[in-house]
Order: sequence, then structure tokens, then C-alpha cells
Amino acid sequence: KQEVTQIPAALSVPEGENLVLNCSFTDSAIYNLQWFRQDPGKGLTSLLLIQSSQREQTSGRLNASLDKSSGRSTLYIAASQPGDSATYLCAVRPNTDKLIFGTGTRLQVFP
Amino acid sequence: NAGVMQNPRHLVRRRGQEARLRCSPMKGHSHVYWYRQLPEEGLKFMVYLQKENIIDESGMPKERFSAEFPKEGPSILRIQQVVRGDSAAYFCASSQSGTGGARNQPQHFGDGTRLSIL
Repeated sequence: KQEVTQIPAALSVPEGENLVLNCSFTDSAIYNLQWFRQDPGKGLTSLLLIQSSQREQTSGRLNASLDKSSGRSTLYIAASQPGDSATYLCAVRPNTDKLIFGTGTRLQVFP
Repeated sequence: NAGVMQNPRHLVRRRGQEARLRCSPMKGHSHVYWYRQLPEEGLKFMVYLQKENIIDESGMPKERFSAEFPKEGPSILRIQQVVRGDSAAYFCASSQSGTGGARNQPQHFGDGTRLSIL
């Protein structure tokens, strides 16, 4: 059974720091992995999608890497800003159509 | 291009009533997924539908819950005879087809329906 774990569960940092959020999964047989952010009371915003054949994806200040064989992905946020405060979720897609989510990392960036 | 639209945003029902949650996918998307987020828990898959077909309902409770995605109109998640344990945020996502199907496409989520049972 696929399980997804995110560490740390919560993170509070001053503005400007570079951050690394971790996601691990127990079964390496995945099709792809997707990172989201969720703001309080809101839905999920898709940040990055990494296919199983890819090693990383970049969008602006965000960079996500994938090491499928070791069951790990990291989301790197450069030069963090207060507007980055949110819960960050990773989700893996096994060889099916559904996503399996981790429980998230709650990030707070203070000025 | 409008995103995934869910309504209502908030829904209050008394125990025993029916709840109907609606989801309009993004334009051009023919794949719809429903997820549930219980308080203090992560999102859990419920059901995956394409137009007029249920593809995977492995996450759906066997009783009281049903879903449809008709040829015309939004996808509907229906909960009959609601109980307190149904209180949760219900999210809908959609994706388009790509080469190899929908699996290599990102899922885009709506803002959810927050269901409260009195």
C-alpha cells in the first residue's frame, strides 16, 4: 500500500530564507508526482508536476526534484516571501488515475 | 479560462437529509475526480469519472454515496441520509486527456464544498 509522508509537518521562517520541503513515498512504482499549495479555506493550486522519467521541474522560485528509486521528492523554495505562507502538499500517482496525498507541510514566512 | 467550479461553497444539512455537490470541470477537460478532506486529515480519493462513465470508485463508501458525470452538465456527488461523520471538505479536480491518457496530465482543483452536518 502506497503511503506518502511529508517532513516537516510545520515550518516557520523569516522572509528571504531558502527552504526545502520533503516528501517520501513507500512504493517507487509511480507514474508522476505533483506538488500543490493550499491556502486556508481554499482549494489546491497545482505548482509542479514531475513525470517518473524526469529528475526535476522548475517554475519561478520553485524547484522540485524526484528520486524515484529512493522514494523521495523535494520542493525547494528560493528567497521565501510572506505570500508563500500556505500548506504544501505532495501527491503521487501510482499506475492508476488517482492521487495519493501526504498530510502536508504548513509553512509560515514572517516579515 | 475559468478554473474548476464547485458549488455550493458551503452546505449545511441536518442528519438524514440529502447533500448534492456540483462540479464543473475546466473547459476542455473530460476527466473528473472527487476527493474528501476530513478535519485534520489529508485528502483521500473517492471516485474518478469520465463523461457518462464511472472509471474508478474504489474510494467511495459503498452505501449512501453516488457520483455521476452526465453528457451535459456538471458532475454531481450525492450523499443520501447524511450523518455527522460526513462533515468534511469535498474537492473536485479535473484533467484533460494527453498522449497516454489522463495520467500524465496535472489535476486542477476547485475551491471545494464544505459540508457541515447538524
